[in-house]
Amino acid sequence: AQKITQTQPGMFVQEKEAVTLDCTYDTSDPSYGLFWYKQPSSGEMIFLIYQGSYDQQNATEGRYSLNFQKARKSANLVISASQLGDSAMYFCAMRGNTGFQKLVFGTGTRLLVSP
Amino acid sequence: GAVVSQHPSRVICKSGTSVKIECRSLDFQATTMFWYRQFPKQSLMLMATSNEGSKATYEQGVEKDKFLINHASLTLSTLTVTSAHPEDSSFYICSARVRSEVETQYFGPGTRLLVL
Repeated sequence: AQKITQTQPGMFVQEKEAVTLDCTYDTSDPSYGLFWYKQPSSGEMIFLIYQGSYDQQNATEGRYSLNFQKARKSANLVISASQLGDSAMYFCAMRGNTGFQKLVFGTGTRLLVSP
Repeated sequence: GAVVSQHPSRVICKSGTSVKIECRSLDFQATTMFWYRQFPKQSLMLMATSNEGSKATYEQGVEKDKFLINHASLTLSTLTVTSAHPEDSSFYICSARVRSEVETQYFGPGTRLLVL
């Protein structure tokens, strides 16, 4: 069974600072994918970044980077230069390699960016 | 990027009635669609996976007869909440995936259901 753990229910950061959102995972699949999604108050799920289990380099997408440590089974999201619009819920998710390759989500971290 | 729409975005209904939620992929063909449920301040929980032309696969604990899923075409999946009760009030989100793009699920904007 796959499991995603996000231990930070809430995080605060000042505008322009960097913030790290933690995510650890557990799976027996040798091949898997890790995702981060942002969910603002409107409810839509916005894809941020993806990391494949066999990718050698950490994924980056603009201000988002994924700190992938395979041995520790962690996939932390780093947001650089935080903006007020970054305030939202952030979910870490994993895709396995069996069945329909469905996504399993963590419990989420609420990020609040202050001026 | 690929767009997934949901209709309605918000619905209020009386207890005992049935509600249908549509999920459409607007500019691509979705071989697989997923239906999620999200209670306030909680995570997304997968309810079922549907593939075009076949029966949906439900997650453990999800009542098949209560949450009817139909994936009639490569661009449309519907979720019908039958005989809705107040405890069915939730945020329902669909996502769609193209077979050739395993890494990408495109999410709809969600439907807020309130059962009175």
